[in-house]
Amino acid sequence: GNSVTQMEGPVTLSEEAFLTINCTYTATGYPSLFWYVQYPGEGLQLLLKATKADDKGSNKGFEATYRKETTSFHLEKGSVQVSDSAVYFCALRDGGSQGNLIFGKGTKLSVKP
Amino acid sequence: DADVTQTPRNRITKTGKRIMLECSQTKGHDRMYWYRQDPGLGLRLIYYSFDVKDINKGEISDGYSVSRQAQAKFSLSLESAIPNQTALYFCATSQGGQPQHFGDGTRLSIL
Repeated sequence: GNSVTQMEGPVTLSEEAFLTINCTYTATGYPSLFWYVQYPGEGLQLLLKATKADDKGSNKGFEATYRKETTSFHLEKGSVQVSDSAVYFCALRDGGSQGNLIFGKGTKLSVKP
Repeated sequence: DADVTQTPRNRITKTGKRIMLECSQTKGHDRMYWYRQDPGLGLRLIYYSFDVKDINKGEISDGYSVSRQAQAKFSLSLESAIPNQTALYFCATSQGGQPQHFGDGTRLSIL
């Protein structure tokens, strides 16, 4: 079945460091891919998405490219800030009629000043 | 005001009690979802509803039931709560296959 695998956290970085959070997926067909972010005490918010191979999603300085050949959707940011501290979830939505989301386990990011 | 509102935000209760978590939305979305979040396990789908007359089980529906009282309201019930149902519960909505919007969650503790 469909699944999403994320790198385990927690990830601790200093402010202005480069961030990569790895995400790979297993799916039949051509899923849409998402990154959601969860700030402390809040629900999940959509960060970015990509709906087909080679698409790049971007938002708030974060980017991720849909790589079908490596079944990956790694999240990157060139210079993280303390305010980026949160839990990040990779997710896929398969192309079937139900189209429900399947989430990875989440990666906690802490950015120190 | 929040687009997706969950009540209560926190609840502590005892084993065997009946619990209802409520979710309401002002976004006019047709689809609504209930998830639970456990540390290290991500989010898992409990139930989902594509419209008022359409209710579907998700990955982990055992021990839970739902009611879609109106397009804007979707409640989750635990008929007889047990400690391993202690978790953070999220409601989400979407319009068709568009990205989901989440409430701020209900933290449920069962003693």
